[in-house]
Amino acid sequence: AQSVAQPEDQVNVAEGNPLTVKCTYSVSGNPYLFWYVQYPNRGLQFLLKYITGDNLVKGSYGFEAEFNKSQTSFHLKKPSALVSDSALYFCAVRDLAASGSARQLTFGSGTQLTVLP
Amino acid sequence: DARVTQTPRHKVTEMGQEVTMRCQPILGHNTVFWYRQTMMQGLELLAYFRNRAPLDDSGMPKDRFSAEMPDATLATLKIQPSEPRDSAVYFCASGLVTGTASYGYTFGSGTRLTVV
Repeated sequence: AQSVAQPEDQVNVAEGNPLTVKCTYSVSGNPYLFWYVQYPNRGLQFLLKYITGDNLVKGSYGFEAEFNKSQTSFHLKKPSALVSDSALYFCAVRDLAASGSARQLTFGSGTQLTVLP
Repeated sequence: DARVTQTPRHKVTEMGQEVTMRCQPILGHNTVFWYRQTMMQGLELLAYFRNRAPLDDSGMPKDRFSAEMPDATLATLKIQPSEPRDSAVYFCASGLVTGTASYGYTFGSGTRLTVV
């Protein structure tokens, strides 16, 4: 079975500082990995995904994520945080080796990012 | 921009009443999902459809929840009878899945359900 862990419920960072939101995953095969962001009272928005290729994936709003197979991690990063980045961030994984109903996204529990001015 | 439309945005209902939530997926997407978001459980997959056929609804309480796709432009999630523990935000998402390839799903803005 596939699973995703976001070990931090809350991350606080000062504006202008780099930010990292952590995600680790477990799959039996190769993963598809995704990051979504949820702003208050809004649906989830797609940020970026990793399927294959370069381990560093660039996405929307200046975010990037690094796929690390040996550590089974897909941490979300941004070099310089903005107050407007404050939101709830979800990591998700899909196992390419899974079949049938298991071939769907499994979401982490979410990490609330607060960027302080 | 193409988007997934969910109605209503907010719903307050009394315990025991029927609730129907609707979702219009993005044209051309062949997969539709229903997720429920609560503080305790995070995001839970309730059901999903591929080409309008239900593939998995194991996440739903079968005795009170039902999900259907009467046509390619409409997905519905019904709760009958509703209970206070059903209070949550319900998200619909659609995506295009072809073979082994899938892409980021597009989520609707959600329906915030409160059962009193």
